[in-house]
Amino acid sequence: DVKVTQSSRYLVKRTGEKVFLECVQDMDHENMFWYRQDPGLGLRLIYFSYDVKMKEKGDIPEGYSVSREKKERFSLILESASTNQTSMYLCASRGTGVQSGEQFFGPGTRLTVL
Amino acid sequence: AQSVTQLGSHVSVSEGALVLLRCNYSSSVPPYLFWYVQYPNQGLQLLLKYTTGATLVKGINGFEAEFKKSETSFHLTKPSAHMSDAAEYFCAVINTGGFKTIFGAGTRLFVKA
Repeated sequence: DVKVTQSSRYLVKRTGEKVFLECVQDMDHENMFWYRQDPGLGLRLIYFSYDVKMKEKGDIPEGYSVSREKKERFSLILESASTNQTSMYLCASRGTGVQSGEQFFGPGTRLTVL
Repeated sequence: AQSVTQLGSHVSVSEGALVLLRCNYSSSVPPYLFWYVQYPNQGLQLLLKYTTGATLVKGINGFEAEFKKSETSFHLTKPSAHMSDAAEYFCAVINTGGFKTIFGAGTRLFVKA
């Protein structure tokens, strides 16, 4: 059974803290993604990575950074958390190939910044 | 630029009634189209997808969708709603050879007993 796991389901942090969200996939996928999900806005892409140590900005990268040191792991970092980063964060992975459009999602991390 | 529009942020149906969730897309090249479902407090999971070939695609849990190029639509249907179908549904598009997936804003489906 393929799986994408995220380190925390719920997280509460204070303004200014550095926050790490971890994502691990066991499907040997090259591509990994971080989204944030907010009501009425759907999913917005923060960053993605198509290979180890490679990363590309998505649509809303400000205030975030990422790290991909190993193929199976993709981390999202909030350098200095702010209240407007309170959201649901979803990690996804995807294989490479013409038929590999499907993304596999983790269960999400609901982050609250106080 | 590609985009996805889901008509109706909330849809309410009675149990046993037809489910119709609307999705229109824009893409300059032949698209791959997807419907994902998200149950409460969970991530998204694939319901069905269109890549090439037959334009009517069947997915899990009795859902199906039809790709209509002339209408740039990919509406999701189910003949008879079940209480367990209550969830949020996302339409998505990725252009062939592309990388990013563009998601619609989502439609929350309510099923009344």
